[in-house]
Amino acid sequence: KAGVTQTPRYLIKTRGQQVTLSCSPISGHRSVSWYQQTPGQGLQFLFEYFSETQRNKGNFPGRFSGRQFSNSRSEMNVSTLELGDSALYLCASSLVGSASSYEQYFGPGTRLTVT
Amino acid sequence: DAKTTQPNSMESNEEEPVHLPCNHSTISGTDYIHWYRQLPSQGPEYVIHGLTSNVNNRMASLAIAEDRKSSTLILHRATLRDAAVYYCSPFGNEKLTFGTGTRLTIIP
Repeated sequence: KAGVTQTPRYLIKTRGQQVTLSCSPISGHRSVSWYQQTPGQGLQFLFEYFSETQRNKGNFPGRFSGRQFSNSRSEMNVSTLELGDSALYLCASSLVGSASSYEQYFGPGTRLTVT
Repeated sequence: DAKTTQPNSMESNEEEPVHLPCNHSTISGTDYIHWYRQLPSQGPEYVIHGLTSNVNNRMASLAIAEDRKSSTLILHRATLRDAAVYYCSPFGNEKLTFGTGTRLTIIP
């Protein structure tokens, strides 16, 4: 079974631009979560989608948004990029959301650099 | 959100058992305890999770304290491929909360 895929793997953007990252979960997984990982802040939760609905959201500004499609694929968008948005963005999928008994499967991440 | 405390780093000899501790004293009663590991330039990899009783899988064992305020990940025979940063996390409200993790070094 194919793992979680994320595209693109690397991205360089300029301050003020916007970016869209894509995540394809493992086949059959309906929950997709997004995390931001930085050396200083560690892993921080952005949001979680289940069956095209956002069920939970972390403490990030409104510039960070996401959506999930009917095939469970998800995208996240960051508008008006700031230097501090440079990070590794990770997507994780699980078989069923809301039940913490299910393991999360992470993709390789998208390394975003904002200059 | 529940907070976790782990040693910053640990070393172990190859083929020896490794015990990685985690303190999660503020964990909610319904939160599972998850463990993941991460290699450089890769996403975290699931290792094991449990709620109250000890758990075993092909990768590791998880020992959970009776009061659930701490847990220990046990790698029975460490190999060089086990060198990674290990994170424990309570899983609540559909999200993981990683701390700084433990960097495990395996000595050949």
